[in-house]
Amino acid sequence: DTAVSQTPKYLVTQMGNDKSIKCEQNLGHDTMYWYKQDSKKFLKIMFSYNNKELIINETVPNRFSPKSPDKAHLNLHINSLELGDSAVYFCASSQVRGLKIAGGPREQYFGPGTRLTVT
Amino acid sequence: KQEVTQIPAALSVPEGENLVLNCSFTDSAIYNLQWFRQDPGKGLTSLLLIQSSQREQTSGRLNASLDKSSGRSTLYIAASQPGDSATYLCAPSSGGSYIPTFGRGTSLIVHP
Repeated sequence: DTAVSQTPKYLVTQMGNDKSIKCEQNLGHDTMYWYKQDSKKFLKIMFSYNNKELIINETVPNRFSPKSPDKAHLNLHINSLELGDSAVYFCASSQVRGLKIAGGPREQYFGPGTRLTVT
Repeated sequence: KQEVTQIPAALSVPEGENLVLNCSFTDSAIYNLQWFRQDPGKGLTSLLLIQSSQREQTSGRLNASLDKSSGRSTLYIAASQPGDSATYLCAPSSGGSYIPTFGRGTSLIVHP
């Protein structure tokens, strides 16, 4: 079974459209993330959710809205798509809270990515 | 704000060489540091996770060390193989939200 899955894998759409990317994890983790990887391969955090609550929201346009219906899902909705939104979007998860060992969160697991192309 | 630098940015070596990839970070108050591998067009695969209290971790031909006080981590790859060709990323976690900050990676090519 895939630990972190994303759909769709590829998304081609026109400027101005609204689209969603879905993410699901079956690892029982309490924290999920969305990252954007630009054309220069730089990976940057967008959002982080812990137990369905937003815990971090980096400087992302408000056209991007994450939705977490439950601990296992974190979807990303994008309104009024722009050319600059073209990138690969990665979902990830980890266990952050309630750890017995010191040192914070366990390792992150990433999904396969969604390549978004806006034309 | 945490900043992560990885050196070298790119590396091309013949098969069999032992390699050292470097990662430095500006905020030494980290919880842990994770090394990832990314193959072209693929997601990230976790290689090693070092907790802040640890000095090193080993997995097969990979060994990662951490010197938290100096803000450095090193990934050592022994007896490199063509299958090791990928981009290697390091990501220390810090701050109240435990968010990892990624470097730009080292692009490795191992040729037969």
